[in-house]
This record gives sequence, C-alpha cells and structure tokens, in this order.
Amino acid sequence: EVQLVQSGAEVKKPGESLKISCKGSGYNFPVYWIGWVRQMPGKGLEWVGIIYPGDSDTRYSPAFQGQVTISVDTSINTAYLQWSSLKASDTAVYYCARGWTTVDLWGQGTLVSVSS
Amino acid sequence: EVVMTQSPLSLPVTLGQPASISCRSSQSLVHSDGNTYLHWFIQRPGQSPRRLIYKVSHWDSGVPDRFSGSGSGTDFTLKISRVEAEDVGVYYCMQGTHWPYTFGQGTKLEIK
Repeated sequence: EVQLVQSGAEVKKPGESLKISCKGSGYNFPVYWIGWVRQMPGKGLEWVGIIYPGDSDTRYSPAFQGQVTISVDTSINTAYLQWSSLKASDTAVYYCARGWTTVDLWGQGTLVSVSS
Repeated sequence: EVVMTQSPLSLPVTLGQPASISCRSSQSLVHSDGNTYLHWFIQRPGQSPRRLIYKVSHWDSGVPDRFSGSGSGTDFTLKISRVEAEDVGVYYCMQGTHWPYTFGQGTKLEIK
C-alpha cells in the first residue's frame, strides 16, 4: 500500500527542540517530492516547505525560512521537519504531503503542542 | 506570493441540491510548461485533506462524477451536481504553479 506514516503527537515547552518524521512506503521514495503543510488550530492549510529526496533540493516558504529545517534520509525513506527552538505559535497539526506542483498523497498529520 | 480567494466561506446546502465554490488567484496559474496547476481538496472533520480534482478538471481515482472542476487563468470553480451527506467538510483550492504553493481559505460545506 502506498502511504505516508507520520510520527506521533508531541507536547513541548517553548524553547525546546523537536524533529518530526514522515515515512514513505509502497512507492519509489527518492523520486517524489515531499512537502510539509501546517494547519493551526481551527485554521486553513499553509505550505511550510518541500524537499526532493533524490538530491535533497529544498525550498521553503518565505514565512518559514529560517524557522524550520526540512531534511531527508533516503536509506529509511523518511523525511523530517525540525525546530531548534519552539514557540507557542508553532502549535499546529503538521502534514507531510507527496508531490511537486500538486499533492496526491497525505500523511495522517502530527499534532505539535507547545505550551509552558 | 499568489493569493487564493475562495467564496463563499460557508456553504449550507440541502441534500440533493447543487453547490458551487469559486476560487480566484491573484495571478495567472498557467505554468511555463502549459499546464494549469489548480487543484481541489476536501478535508472531512478529523481527517487529512484528500485531493478530488487536479489540474483544474481531472478527477482523482474514486471521486464521484457529481464533482466537476472548471476554469482558466485566474478564475476557477468546483461544482457538486447533487450534494450528499458524505460531501460535508472543508474544501480548499490550491495552486501549484508558483512557489510557495498556496491554498484558499477554505469553504465549509454543511447540510441545511
């Protein structure tokens, strides 16, 4: 089965670091772009960034540039989204999503809660 | 950044009646390769989004033919010919022509 499976929910304090993951299976992982999409509580969808696993070419949305880091480990077909210092405003569900110019496959979402 | 504007934001519909959602972009979505990367997604309560229509008018696998997409340039429409209970959710248009890709604000369809 073609799927993206994300890591579980996280509860963190402001200033802490975090790395969440997205594992692809059932397809040729290196040749499909993987993106990250944020959904803040009760709000819409926003692109964070996107990475091509084949060569780690990475693009960030200007609003997220410098705020997060996207990476990939093709040996285990997994993409990552990480923060070095979380803020309360990072509280959201983060989806990984497969595709370039579109999205044809979504992960189940990872809830990140940041609160003191 | 391309701004995507959907209307209406709330759409109460009687079962069996048609529904229509508009999506307008702040610039043309025609890509240099000739394609128009405008897509429609539904997000049902508590679920991940799911794509319904890609490149303006192409159905994804398993999508009922009561859904249809149309439009060109900066003006696009999603139509449901006869709304069913399973169509409840938030509908988003998304452009994949210009990075960063952007979504509309979402249209919440509910049954009257």
